Amino acid sequence: DAGITQSPRHKVTETGTPVTLRCHQTENHRYMYWYRQDPGHGLRLIHYSYGVKDTDKGEVSDGYSVSRSKTEDFLLTLESATSSQTSVYFCAISGAGLRTDTQYFGPGTRLTVL
Amino acid sequence: KQEVTQIPAALSVPEGENLVLNCSFTDSAIYNLQWFRQDPGKGLTSLLLIQSSQREQTSGRLNASLDKSSGRSTLYIAASQPGDSATYLCAVKPTSGTYKYIFGTGTRLKVLA
Repeated sequence: DAGITQSPRHKVTETGTPVTLRCHQTENHRYMYWYRQDPGHGLRLIHYSYGVKDTDKGEVSDGYSVSRSKTEDFLLTLESATSSQTSVYFCAISGAGLRTDTQYFGPGTRLTVL
Repeated sequence: KQEVTQIPAALSVPEGENLVLNCSFTDSAIYNLQWFRQDPGKGLTSLLLIQSSQREQTSGRLNASLDKSSGRSTLYIAASQPGDSATYLCAVKPTSGTYKYIFGTGTRLKVLA
């Protein structure tokens, strides 16, 4: 395992409430990513980070924000959750050691917005 | 815009069969391509990574090939086993210099005992 944890693993919330998902790594990888996975769409990149306080948008970033104040933590925030954000969210890391391009994934967070 | 396609979406084969999974991409200017495995309810596990300068990579019963000019990669699984049942995804990293990866929608494989 690449030492990636995600919390919470499951969450049910109501439309309009803020939600924060946490990704924590113990591997000192430089790059961290947030994806969402939906049937028929595969994995789509929401945001990624290439260093502490350095982030960039992915293809489906609307309605999401991120922060990375420490190497090991990457937070994804839904400012005001909507039903269209019901999905499984995966964190991934890359960029350390000999296999710098290999992506390692966390176990996922299943989010339901009612 | 780079698009990655995996056909078929689902595949069932009897145990012991050799099989090939396909991955197509529309822009041949890629930096590398990765194959992943995903078990139900789990995250993705990296299987093989092929750099753009390579033609193939092997790991155990798995062999991945890359033909950039035709925009194709294949994942060959030899002597399939029920434990190989999972969804297999490919992802390409463009040569744009960013660390964004573009994923296909996957092929769901079922190996029948």
